[in-house]
Amino acid sequence: AQSVTQLDSQVPVFEEAPVELRCNYSSSVSVYLFWYVQYPNQGLQLLLKYLSGSTLVKGINGFEAEFNKSQTSFHLRKPSVHISDTAEYFCAVGSNSGYALNFGKGTSLLVTP
Amino acid sequence: DAGVIQSPRHEVTEMGQEVTLRCKPISGHDYLFWYRQTMMRGLELLIYFNNNVPIDDSGMPEDRFSAKMPNASFSTLKIQPSEPRDSAVYFCASSLGGDGYTFGSGTRLTVV
Repeated sequence: AQSVTQLDSQVPVFEEAPVELRCNYSSSVSVYLFWYVQYPNQGLQLLLKYLSGSTLVKGINGFEAEFNKSQTSFHLRKPSVHISDTAEYFCAVGSNSGYALNFGKGTSLLVTP
Repeated sequence: DAGVIQSPRHEVTEMGQEVTLRCKPISGHDYLFWYRQTMMRGLELLIYFNNNVPIDDSGMPEDRFSAKMPNASFSTLKIQPSEPRDSAVYFCASSLGGDGYTFGSGTRLTVV
């Protein structure tokens, strides 16, 4: 079974500053990795995904993530955040043996002026 | 496509009553997932289907919970009888293989 640990429950950051949200996974098989964003009172929206190939993955809204197999990490980054990036961010792991995803507990990103 | 459609958006019911949550997945998607989200436990996978067949229901908390997918365009999650600890946001999601989920907007269930 796969599992995900999101190392920070809350990340406060000033507008236009860079941000990194950390995610580590554990799995004994090849993994698929995802980042989702959840705005208040909404469902989760896919930001980006790693299925195979290039380890640097670019997503929507200027976010990117890097798959690091040796460190079992999939950290999410953005070089300059906006107030509108304030939301809950979830890292998720799956595999090709069923496609069900296990989600982390989430990281609350709070962007202030 | 209108995305994954869940109904109702909000449900308030009394303890002991039956609750039915509904989901219409994206046309052509072959996987459907039901998740429950609470502050304490985060996102929990309850059950998922592949081509309308239940694959894994090990996350269903008790026999009070049941889910069906009678056809490719409709699924239900039923709780009977409901209890206050079932209060949560229930999400339905669909996917085409392992390509990542599309989530519905969720049903916020409150059992009083």
